[in-house]
Amino acid sequence: EVQLVESGGGLVKPGGSLRLSCAASGFTFSTYSMNWVRQAPGKGLEWVSSISSSGSYIYYADSVKGRFTISRDNAKNSLYLQMNSLRAEDTAVYYCARDSSKTTVVTPLQPWGQGTLVTVSS
Amino acid sequence: DIQMTQSPSTLSASVGDRVTITCRASQSINSWLAWYQQKPGKAPKLLMYKASSLESGVPSRFSGSGSGTEFTLTISSLQPDDFASYYCQQYNSYSRTFGQGTKVEIK
Repeated sequence: EVQLVESGGGLVKPGGSLRLSCAASGFTFSTYSMNWVRQAPGKGLEWVSSISSSGSYIYYADSVKGRFTISRDNAKNSLYLQMNSLRAEDTAVYYCARDSSKTTVVTPLQPWGQGTLVTVSS
Repeated sequence: DIQMTQSPSTLSASVGDRVTITCRASQSINSWLAWYQQKPGKAPKLLMYKASSLESGVPSRFSGSGSGTEFTLTISSLQPDDFASYYCQQYNSYSRTFGQGTKVEIK
């Protein structure tokens, strides 16, 4: 069974840092691009960042560029999101999601993890 | 960035109703559009891809259409399990963007 499990969320003060992790299982992690998507409380979905299967290509939403860093460790079947200079507006559930197919082009996202909540508040 | 606009934001309907949700892109995205369903407290689930292709395991009462900038998701006969939020997403570019969502409520 394909599974994505996020961890690392919690309460952090504005200006602080947090590192999210996503543990993947049930598929060959090193052959798929991976993504982070967030959802603020009661709001819609916002794509945050994507990383190619090898880690060579990385993309960010403008809202997090320069503050967040996506990375992966294919040996550990894990995806990461390092979040620095956190702001109140970064408060959200952060989902890890896999590209639905292993191609070199952009694909929809499936499956998704259950999400981890990040709260930025003093 | 490509902007995605969904309508309506909320839709009240009854079991058995035919329901249509619209998604518009700020520029052509060809057919690179996906639809997701999300229930409260759960992760989104892919329903449709490439505008009109049904994801495996998704009931055939769901259908999608459109290309370019105008797209629709139709539920032919609304079932109790379909009351949820629905999001469109373009994947024409690496900066994938979502619509703001449509909540389908019980009338």
